[in-house]
Amino acid sequence: QKEVEQNSGPLSVPEGAIASLNCTYSDRGSQSFFWYRQYSGKSPELIMSIYSNGDKEDGRFTAQLNKASQYVSLLIRDSQPSDSATYLCAVNAPNQGGKLIFGQGTELSVKP
Amino acid sequence: NAGVTQTPKFQVLKTGQSMTLQCAQDMNHNSMYWYRQDPGMGLRLIYYSASEGTTDKGEVPNGYNVSRLNKREFSLRLESAAPSQTSVYFCASSEALTGANYEQYFGPGTRLTVT
Repeated sequence: QKEVEQNSGPLSVPEGAIASLNCTYSDRGSQSFFWYRQYSGKSPELIMSIYSNGDKEDGRFTAQLNKASQYVSLLIRDSQPSDSATYLCAVNAPNQGGKLIFGQGTELSVKP
Repeated sequence: NAGVTQTPKFQVLKTGQSMTLQCAQDMNHNSMYWYRQDPGMGLRLIYYSASEGTTDKGEVPNGYNVSRLNKREFSLRLESAAPSQTSVYFCASSEALTGANYEQYFGPGTRLTVT
């Protein structure tokens, strides 16, 4: 079983819609959760961090964490074509310092 | 602040050649990481350095060596390049003292082709 799992996609949404990206993780000891955005040919860019159960909003982005279900999600409201990218979920590896475990990524395509 | 810088941006090697990828960060971070990214394989950790003076193997260390030269710099060496090492290599850094500091910041990457 993969430690961090994401739907590979591609996920296609129309411009202005809400895009929902999901991630599950296997280690209940993980406490820190991150979403990265990666444009084609570029490096991963940190867009959201979440550490507590519930929702965290930043502009059009909302991260949701449910530790009991071992589930973290990213919602993108009012999706724009510029949001088209691969989104990587990352989870800290417990008791291994700052080491992160990355999911395979979900490719998002926002159609005008 | 340049953040995380990597050199070179592109490199083509012949099988058996050696090279060193350089990484530097100016954020005073404690921890540094080397990843490779291949289509369909996601990001895979090669080596990491939790703090100056320490290095540890990641998921795919075979064929690589690393040096944490000082707090700022972390280099990755391929002693005898193989076509299987054709990939995009990313360096990252994080403060990594507590959970709130585990955020990793990535360099622009090195695109390596081994023929």
